[in-house]
Amino acid sequence: DLQMTQSPSSLSASVGDRVTITCRASQSISSYLNWYQQRPGKAPKLLIYAASSLQSGVPSRFSGSGSGTDFTLTVSSLQPEDFATYYCQQSYNTPYTFGQGTKLEIK
Amino acid sequence: QVQLVESGGGVVQPGRSLRLSCAASGFTFSNYGLHWVRQAPGKGLEWVAIISYDGSNKYYEDSVEGRFTISRDNSKNTLFLQMNSLRAEDTAVYYCAKDSRYCSGGTCYSGGAFDIWGQGTMVTVSS
Repeated sequence: DLQMTQSPSSLSASVGDRVTITCRASQSISSYLNWYQQRPGKAPKLLIYAASSLQSGVPSRFSGSGSGTDFTLTVSSLQPEDFATYYCQQSYNTPYTFGQGTKLEIK
Repeated sequence: QVQLVESGGGVVQPGRSLRLSCAASGFTFSNYGLHWVRQAPGKGLEWVAIISYDGSNKYYEDSVEGRFTISRDNSKNTLFLQMNSLRAEDTAVYYCAKDSRYCSGGTCYSGGAFDIWGQGTMVTVSS
């Protein structure tokens, strides 16, 4: 099965900071990589699909890049509502594995 | 609006069965694949199963293969997950999610992200 590894597992940052989360696939997945945000007690929400496409309604401060095995999610200027857990997920083949998550906390 | 609403969760003893449902509205149900994803308490997301738009193809995560069955009723816009031989490690919030890939007449277009999620239903397996 494809393994997805995110780093870091947790991250402390301040409002207004620029942050980057990395996701690495155990083999090439082309651009079949999606990013989700999950707030406590809530369902995940799609942010980025196909590695770099912004889902409708998602603020433009979120961006994604990468292809093959290495991908990044960047938040250009953190807002209070962005403190949450972020997951990458490959849709290249089944099982559609997720990364272990990155918890973004307020410094 | 576009939404998915799960139901059927609860507390069940190990070895018993449970059937989850996911009612869809606001989109053409029969044109999209659907997934079940679960999240154990305090843990990350784990993909469980997918069913194609027409129900002809189904795939499962290894640990549930042979115990869980995904199905759908396109006439009632409803997705199901039949869970048999439940184990303590199946304890989780179960989410249904819509695949973004649009399919029609045997042709499917780009997609594969989970663009709509339900609110989740909790399944607790305990004696």
